[in-house]
Amino acid sequence: ILNVEQSPQSLHVQEGDSTNFTCSFPSSNFYALHWYRWETAKSPEALFVMTLNGDEKKKGRISATLNTKEGYSYLYIKGSQPEDSATYLCASPLSGSARQLTFGSGTQLTVLP
Amino acid sequence: DAGVTQSPTHLIKTRGQQVTLRCSPISGHKSVSWYQQVLGQGPQFIFQYYEKEERGRGNFPDRFSARQFPNYSSELNVNALLLGDSALYLCASSTDKGALNEKLFFGSGTQLSVL
Repeated sequence: ILNVEQSPQSLHVQEGDSTNFTCSFPSSNFYALHWYRWETAKSPEALFVMTLNGDEKKKGRISATLNTKEGYSYLYIKGSQPEDSATYLCASPLSGSARQLTFGSGTQLTVLP
Repeated sequence: DAGVTQSPTHLIKTRGQQVTLRCSPISGHKSVSWYQQVLGQGPQFIFQYYEKEERGRGNFPDRFSARQFPNYSSELNVNALLLGDSALYLCASSTDKGALNEKLFFGSGTQLSVL
């Protein structure tokens, strides 16, 4: 992996379902992994920033894990709600500068009522 | 507290024109970064400024330039606009205290359309 990649590209789930998406990134020279939520017509909002292998972060029904040795992170949403509908972006500072992020293309989540 | 503000929200230009986009960071944030987001792709890094100095530049042509003012606000300039410059331009601010786990705070962007 030479870039930041996300899968799936889009996802439709029913309200109440749990779901997860994947972010893959280069495992060498790892610095940090960011997750952002971007709702339509709003600003991207930071969910988590993780730096250590094995890190797990949680915010309400949303949680994330990090595996820096194999270069992936998972974002989990438990009991999806319509308000969770958004594009979820992951990003990593591949250049080494913490504020110069390389983003994946995002996973667009639609939660159907 | 006000978040990151960007102006204008929308802009229509024609090929060959020049455009200036503006960004005001969150109070106390000294770092401003610019990103370009084309539909279907993730934001792509253009510039980062910290205390009026350029800290980094992404893979963009010299038609793109930026600056940061003493109050930490920033402008992004694009000369000789091309159709391919049509995109959402996002500004992000941070305190930039050097921590790797520092998150970015984004504005809602300027949607630029080049006709």
